Amino acid sequence: DGGITQSPKYLFRKEGQNVTLSCEQNLNHDAMYWYRQDPGQGLRLIYYSQIVNDFQKGDIAEGYSVSREKKESFPLTVTSAQKNPTAFYLCASTYGPGQGAIGNQPQHFGDGTRLSIL
Amino acid sequence: QQQVKQSPQSLIVQKGGIPIINCAYENTAFDYFPWYQQFPGKGPALLIAIRPDVSEKKEGRFTISFNKSAKQFSLHIMDSQPGDSATYFCAASFLSSNTGKLIFGQGTTLQVKP
Repeated sequence: DGGITQSPKYLFRKEGQNVTLSCEQNLNHDAMYWYRQDPGQGLRLIYYSQIVNDFQKGDIAEGYSVSREKKESFPLTVTSAQKNPTAFYLCASTYGPGQGAIGNQPQHFGDGTRLSIL
Repeated sequence: QQQVKQSPQSLIVQKGGIPIINCAYENTAFDYFPWYQQFPGKGPALLIAIRPDVSEKKEGRFTISFNKSAKQFSLHIMDSQPGDSATYFCAASFLSSNTGKLIFGQGTTLQVKP
């Protein structure tokens, strides 16, 4: 079955440490997204990528970094510069501009990674 | 202008009731309005979506009502069931931007009591 796999499900970060969250999809989607979810604030966009080797900052990119070396993978690194990293992180994907209509295609989400501070 | 405001934050109804969740937006350039359903510990999943050229869309027990002049849209859940207990998010995007970026509301936690 096609889908998005996020790992690990739970992650703990020590002060001063960088941690990387994994997101893998086998849906043949060009576009991938990272969101942060905090209680009462909905989902906020961190970074997105519409094609391999290209990505753009979202609304809250400070303290985060991404890479897109493969179509299937879009890892997110939470750096030590992110002072309030405790949140639920969600990865999503959809068809990109070169694959047909975008925006009216649903974004498929993984089941998230919950990051906490030790 | 990029915000989508969602209310209420939480909602409790009895089984069979019709919970209504409301969203409002400012930017008239938004042209796609999806609703997502999220169960605890899971990612959101698309429930239903509407374009501004229609005033209502139904899919099963879920209905979106859209008021373009008021810049508001709402989700109605007919004959609600305990299994509908979840968090619901409205969202908006610009199809014309070709980025697929979604702006989400703050979410509504719905509890349907048996």
